[in-house]
Amino acid sequence: QVQLVESGGGVVQPGTSLRLSCVGSEFSFSSYGMHWVRQAPGKGLEWVAVISYDGSNKYYTDSVKGRFTISRDNSKNTLYLQMNSLRTEDTGIYYCAKSRITGPVSTLPLDYWGHGTLVTVSS
Amino acid sequence: DIQMTQSPSTLSASVGDRVTITCRASQSISTWLAWYRQKPGKAPNLLIYKASSLESGVPSRFSGSGSGTEFTLTISSLQPDDFATYYCQQYNSNPLTFGGGTKVEIK
Repeated sequence: QVQLVESGGGVVQPGTSLRLSCVGSEFSFSSYGMHWVRQAPGKGLEWVAVISYDGSNKYYTDSVKGRFTISRDNSKNTLYLQMNSLRTEDTGIYYCAKSRITGPVSTLPLDYWGHGTLVTVSS
Repeated sequence: DIQMTQSPSTLSASVGDRVTITCRASQSISTWLAWYRQKPGKAPNLLIYKASSLESGVPSRFSGSGSGTEFTLTISSLQPDDFATYYCQQYNSNPLTFGGGTKVEIK
């Protein structure tokens, strides 16, 4: 059964940094694009970023461009989200999710999601 | 960016009811639309992709339709497990975008 396990969340002050990780198992991690999606407390889903299967292409939502960096290490089956200059509005649960099919296309539905890791940005 | 608008935002229904949720895109997305169900405290689950294709393992009471800018998710007979929040998502282009969600509550 496909598993995605996020870690790295916590409570941090505005302006600081945090790095999230997501380890995938029971699927060919290096063949799939991977995404980060977040959810503010009591709010809806917001797509954050995607990275192609080989790491060559990355896309971000406007609100995190220049502050967040998505990356991956296929040798470790691990996805990362480096979050810098954090703001209070970045608070929420961060989910990693897998693209539904293999290949270079980044615009795909998300068929497996992790349980999420909570990031709280507060002074 | 493509904006996705869902209606209603909240829906009250009973077990066994037929339920329909609407999702509108700000521009044509062909059939590049997915639907997800999110139960409280859990991650979302993919229900429908390509507007009308049922994801493996998803009960057949779920169905999707539409193309272009208007889409619907229908639950033919609401079950206790279906009281949750539903989201549409376009994947026609980056950035991917979700609708605001429809919460299905017990009447």
